[in-house]
Amino acid sequence: GAGVSQSPSNKVTEKGKDVELRCDPISGHTALYWYRQRLGQGLEFLIYFQGNSAPDKSGLPSDRFSAERTGESVSTLTIQRTQQEDSAVYLCASSLVPPDTQYFGPGTRLTVL
Amino acid sequence: AQSVTQPDIHITVSEGASLELRCNYSYGATPYLFWYVQSPGQGLQLLLKYFSGDTLVQGIKGFEAEFKRSQSSFNLRKPSVHWSDAAEYFCAVGARSNTGKLIFGQGTTLQVKP
Repeated sequence: GAGVSQSPSNKVTEKGKDVELRCDPISGHTALYWYRQRLGQGLEFLIYFQGNSAPDKSGLPSDRFSAERTGESVSTLTIQRTQQEDSAVYLCASSLVPPDTQYFGPGTRLTVL
Repeated sequence: AQSVTQPDIHITVSEGASLELRCNYSYGATPYLFWYVQSPGQGLQLLLKYFSGDTLVQGIKGFEAEFKRSQSSFNLRKPSVHWSDAAEYFCAVGARSNTGKLIFGQGTTLQVKP
């Protein structure tokens, strides 16, 4: 079946603009994760959704970052008033009930000028 | 707090040589342990994982890893490296809680010499 998909694959924006990143998880996966990967770094956990439970937002770096998920489907990560330090690859992953294997999407490369 | 250390940022090995990538973790109990590989332009792919049981874990592409509780390590090994193994390798730990979020190391870039 289809894997995790993310859009756009690349996004260039100007400092101060808002951006929205989209993730389509694997069908049937109840858990969805967002991670950030800065250049030359490992992945940083941002947020986790599991079914209808309250999301784990403990990794969001500031209140400019927010995410939503409708049921067990698409998720959007929104970054408001983007800053240059937000430039990174944003990766989405989904899994069956944790701690099952997380399957990662190809990522969205965000560049803030 | 949980943390993962991959001491080697960059490793170069000759094709056909053996490989060991190091991973040390800090966690109050036995975590879940993972190795992922990221090839240029590709997403992350799971190589192997340890949840419980046998401490020597076999993965895809001929990789294996050994969980050593006494050393808080989960080193990745391959007896004979192929040119296609050139990639970035990430070790990750997950808490034995119900969130499943992963803490990743900084990664080790593997270069394979012909």
